[in-house]
Amino acid sequence: DQQVKQNSPSLSVQEGRISILNCDYTNSMFDYFLWYKKYPAEGPTFLISISSIKDKNEDGRFTVFLNKSAKHLSLHIVPSQPGDSAVYFCAASNYGGSQGNLIFGKGTKLSVKP
Amino acid sequence: GAVVSQHPSRVICKSGTSVKIECRSLDFQATTMFWYRQFPKQSLMLMATSNEGSKATYEQGVEKDKFLINHASLTLSTLTVTSAHPEDSSFYICSAILGGPNYGYTFGSGTRLTVV
Repeated sequence: DQQVKQNSPSLSVQEGRISILNCDYTNSMFDYFLWYKKYPAEGPTFLISISSIKDKNEDGRFTVFLNKSAKHLSLHIVPSQPGDSAVYFCAASNYGGSQGNLIFGKGTKLSVKP
Repeated sequence: GAVVSQHPSRVICKSGTSVKIECRSLDFQATTMFWYRQFPKQSLMLMATSNEGSKATYEQGVEKDKFLINHASLTLSTLTVTSAHPEDSSFYICSAILGGPNYGYTFGSGTRLTVV
């Protein structure tokens, strides 16, 4: 049973427009969420994170929104750039608990067209 | 920032041989490291949690005798794939947690293993 779900395997966006990547989770014990960007044959690169005590975190073009009641988070990229084309993974952790590992979604492949 | 160095980045080995993958934390001490595996078009799946000075904790379905993990120092964890078979071909990635106010996870660059 997948605890972190990214239901859209791919997303195509025009350069300059907004990219919205979605993620749902089932485990209410998760208290920390992260987004990673991954190019083929490379390790994931950290993008942005959010604690469960917040509902929004912003860093430059990247904003993550958390809706705890819906167990849903989203990553907004605006404006989107061709260099943003990659696979984006949503990940969750219950840092305060006994587990320290990350649970990943399956990823969403973002293509930003010039 | 904190860096995790992983090598080799790519390895091809014959079926039945063993392959060692190293993961080093370059500018911080990593008490805990994680080993992930990613098959094509799949998510990163945790294989095991590596704790310095103690035995690794393996996830369900991961053979501990096949995937040997050693975390003998605070800056080095190794994953050895023993008697590798073609189905072990995958992308292996290590990760370490940064504690304290700089909490976060940092990843190695990954190792592409191909068993022929």
